[in-house]
Amino acid sequence: NAGVMQNPRHLVRRRGQEARLRCSPMKGHSHVYWYRQLPEEGLKFMVYLQKENIIDESGMPKERFSAEFPKEGPSILRIQQVVRGDSAAYFCASTRGVDEKLFFGSGTQLSVL
Amino acid sequence: QQQVKQSPQSLIVQKGGISIINCAYENTAFDYFPWYQQFPGKGPALLIAIRPDVSEKKEGRFTISFNKSAKQFSLHIMDSQPGDSATYFCAASMKNTGFQKLVFGTGTRLLVSP
Repeated sequence: NAGVMQNPRHLVRRRGQEARLRCSPMKGHSHVYWYRQLPEEGLKFMVYLQKENIIDESGMPKERFSAEFPKEGPSILRIQQVVRGDSAAYFCASTRGVDEKLFFGSGTQLSVL
Repeated sequence: QQQVKQSPQSLIVQKGGISIINCAYENTAFDYFPWYQQFPGKGPALLIAIRPDVSEKKEGRFTISFNKSAKQFSLHIMDSQPGDSATYFCAASMKNTGFQKLVFGTGTRLLVSP
């Protein structure tokens, strides 16, 4: 049973470009969470999605950031017009149910030049 | 009020010693307190978790101590091993917003010397 798969592992973008981060949850998991980790800081909640629905996006910046989890395919975190401050590790996590164990992927390290 | 404060920032322990990491919170609505272990280049992995209806939980060499009145909880690693060298994060969440919407501490980098 493969774990939570994130790709790419590393993504380099220039300021103003778009970044697309992908997350395939564990098999049988329909709940996906995105967290962001800045250097020397803990993880910060961004968004919680179930299939085709955004449940809680209270941690996601209102502008330039969006997330989706379509019926088929991976969850996507999209950052438009990236700025240097977007440089961080972005972690996806999945769970089978709301109160069940959360499994994290290995993250995507985004670097904005 | 949503913060979880973690200390120390880094910790060096000799092999066989006890590693202790502390966390404090303000929001009394928090009712789930997990600890995560993260190795370089990997995502965090759940180590052990506690609910506020108990004061201590032990799993192998790992123990969480919870003090509800002081709003503090700590992780104790007994007989620390070099393989325990990692970054440890405490976290907290509440049932009414979802247990997996976690507020993380800033992490403790543990180094266990051989």
